[in-house]
Amino acid sequence: DSGVTQTPKHLITATGQRVTLRCSPRSGDLSVYWYQQSLDQGLQFLIQYYNGEERAKGNILERFSAQQFPDLHSELNLSSLELGDSALYFCASTSTLTGGGYTFGSGTRLTVV
Amino acid sequence: QQQVKQSPQSLIVQKGGISIINCAYENTAFDYFPWYQQFPGKGPALLIAIRPDVSEKKEGRFTISFNKSAKQFSLHIMDSQPGDSATYFCAASRGQTGANNLFFGTGTRLTVIP
Repeated sequence: DSGVTQTPKHLITATGQRVTLRCSPRSGDLSVYWYQQSLDQGLQFLIQYYNGEERAKGNILERFSAQQFPDLHSELNLSSLELGDSALYFCASTSTLTGGGYTFGSGTRLTVV
Repeated sequence: QQQVKQSPQSLIVQKGGISIINCAYENTAFDYFPWYQQFPGKGPALLIAIRPDVSEKKEGRFTISFNKSAKQFSLHIMDSQPGDSATYFCAASRGQTGANNLFFGTGTRLTVIP
């Protein structure tokens, strides 16, 4: 157990729907990152939050949004889902704003049908 | 644009052999270069990392070689074991200021044959 908890582990939903993925970082970690992993794209950075504030955005679609709550857990919201959104979504956390390695959760496998 | 380029895409090595995975980057502002190991159904786990002030770092059977002038770094796995069969990702980030999101390579699927 890495200490980063992601729920749910699996999610199957239909096109056009909206889902919310949840991440609880390691105790004490203030930074949360979201990554999308698909077979042909590898790990793509979506967004970073630090202590409740958005710090960086990567290749995140406008249909996607995220937030980090006062208890430091984070949620990734995916809306108007398309077949191409099917992927593994990982959350990672670190204790610092800069530097250091990530600790990843086990991911949420999203299947859009 | 892929910030970190990784090769090969897949690698098959005999047990006891040396596995070598290569990565290259363009952004000279990168100052942190980790390698992650991912088993099926699991999230990537930090394996070993290096900063550009050293040319090599070794941890057990795993060694990172870093060539700052060529903007390349590689992972060597000595005495490869079947348990090393996994996908390996190199990554890079700017750790000093601002956001430090990691840019990952596309991954190398390593298979170690008994």
